[in-house]
Amino acid sequence: QVQLQESGPGLVKPSQTLSLTCTVSGDSINSGNYYWSWIRQPPGKGLEWIGNIYYSGSTNYNPSLKSRLTISIDTSKNQFSLKLSSVTAADTAVYYCARAVRITVNRGFFQHWGQGTLVSVSS
Amino acid sequence: SYELPQPPSVSVSPGETARITCSGDAFLNRHAHWYQQRPGQAPVLVIYKDTERPSGIPERFSGSRSGTIVTLTISGVQAEDEADYFCQTTDSGDTWVFGGGTKVTVL
Repeated sequence: QVQLQESGPGLVKPSQTLSLTCTVSGDSINSGNYYWSWIRQPPGKGLEWIGNIYYSGSTNYNPSLKSRLTISIDTSKNQFSLKLSSVTAADTAVYYCARAVRITVNRGFFQHWGQGTLVSVSS
Repeated sequence: SYELPQPPSVSVSPGETARITCSGDAFLNRHAHWYQQRPGQAPVLVIYKDTERPSGIPERFSGSRSGTIVTLTISGVQAEDEADYFCQTTDSGDTWVFGGGTKVTVL
C-alpha cells in the first residue's frame, strides 16, 4: 500500500519561500500511471488544488499560484517537492501531497493522500 | 481560483438517504470524483469516474451524472458518514478544481 508523508517547516515568515517535500513509500514514483500532487486547505475552508507533476518532470499548475510555484520530482529519492515564493498569511493552510491516478493527459483523481502538514505564515 | 457550487450543508436522519449535488459545465464531458473528509483527517476517495467505488468503500455510496450536475448519494446513512464531502473534476483549461464542500450532519 502506497504511503505519502509531507515534511518541512511549520512556520514561514511573510515574503519568504514555503518549501515542502513529500516522501513516497510502498511504490515507485517513476510510473506513468500517476500524477504526484499538492493540495492545500486553509483552516476551516475547502480544498484547493496547487499542482501536479508527472514522473517525466512535466508540470500542471493552478493558474492562481503559477507565478509563485515550483514543483519538482526526484525519482532517485522517491520524493517530490513544493516551493511557493513570496508567501502571505493567505497561504496559511494544511498542505497535502497525494498520488493521483492519471485518466488521460491532465485529468485524474486523488487516490491516496498524505496526512497533511500545517504551514503557518507569520512573522 | 474558483470552486464548483455545492450545498453548504445537508442534514439527514440515520437510515435515510443523503444526496449531495455539484454543478459545472465541465461535467458535460469530464468525470466527477468525490472525497469524504472527517474532522482532522485527510480526504478519502469515495467515488471516482462518476460512478466507480474504490475497494473498501461501502456500497451505500454511489454517484451519478446528469448534464452539468453530478450527485453523490449515501443510502441508509450511518453516524460514521458525518463528514465533509467534496466533488472534483478538471476544467477545460486543465485546471483541477474542487467543489466548495458539503457538510453532512447525521441527526
